[in-house]
Amino acid sequence: EPEVTQTPSHQVTQMGQEVILRCVPISNHLYFYWYRQILGQKVEFLVSFYNNEISEKSEIFDDQFSVERPDGSNFTLKIRSTKLEDSAMYFCASLWDVGGTEAFFGQGTRLTVV
Amino acid sequence: KNEVEQSPQNLTAQEGEFITINCSYSVGISALHWLQQHPGGGIVSLFMLSSGKKKHGRLIATINIQEKHSSLHITASHPRDSAVYICAVFTVGRGSQGNLIFGKGTKLSVKP
Repeated sequence: EPEVTQTPSHQVTQMGQEVILRCVPISNHLYFYWYRQILGQKVEFLVSFYNNEISEKSEIFDDQFSVERPDGSNFTLKIRSTKLEDSAMYFCASLWDVGGTEAFFGQGTRLTVV
Repeated sequence: KNEVEQSPQNLTAQEGEFITINCSYSVGISALHWLQQHPGGGIVSLFMLSSGKKKHGRLIATINIQEKHSSLHITASHPRDSAVYICAVFTVGRGSQGNLIFGKGTKLSVKP
């Protein structure tokens, strides 16, 4: 059973510090996404990525956020200077094709900013 | 207005009951996903639908594209079915790639 792997599962960081959340999508998938879920709220879109570039990003995805796929396997989300309100569960998802195929989600990284 | 609306928000059932969770959406979609999220937080895909009906074990999902509505049914519910069930629609792509828009989820508790 293919799976999306996210590390770490839980990260605690000081406000103002940089964090990097890592995701290993399914190897033959082409479309990648980051979502976040603040505790008690619904899952929100952050950014989509295809062909080594950002396809679309939400209003949440401001200049403190960046994504990259440095080595063709890992897909990372960097938050440059964390704020308290960045505390959330961050999910990575990958799809082989858009629209008509199953979305595979990682188990999430719980980020706590203190 | 939310683009994806789920009902009910919370649902408590007795073991063995037949359960229905509803999802309505207002945007053009290429597919609809039913997802399950357990208290630990991980999200698991249950179904991906673009038309008709799918069945997997005790779970059945239907979609009516004309009415922009989908339902998730659980037959003979069991306490292990307790989770948050999320409806998410894959929007028709803007540019090169579409996106999933999530409902708020339905929290299901099944009592023994």
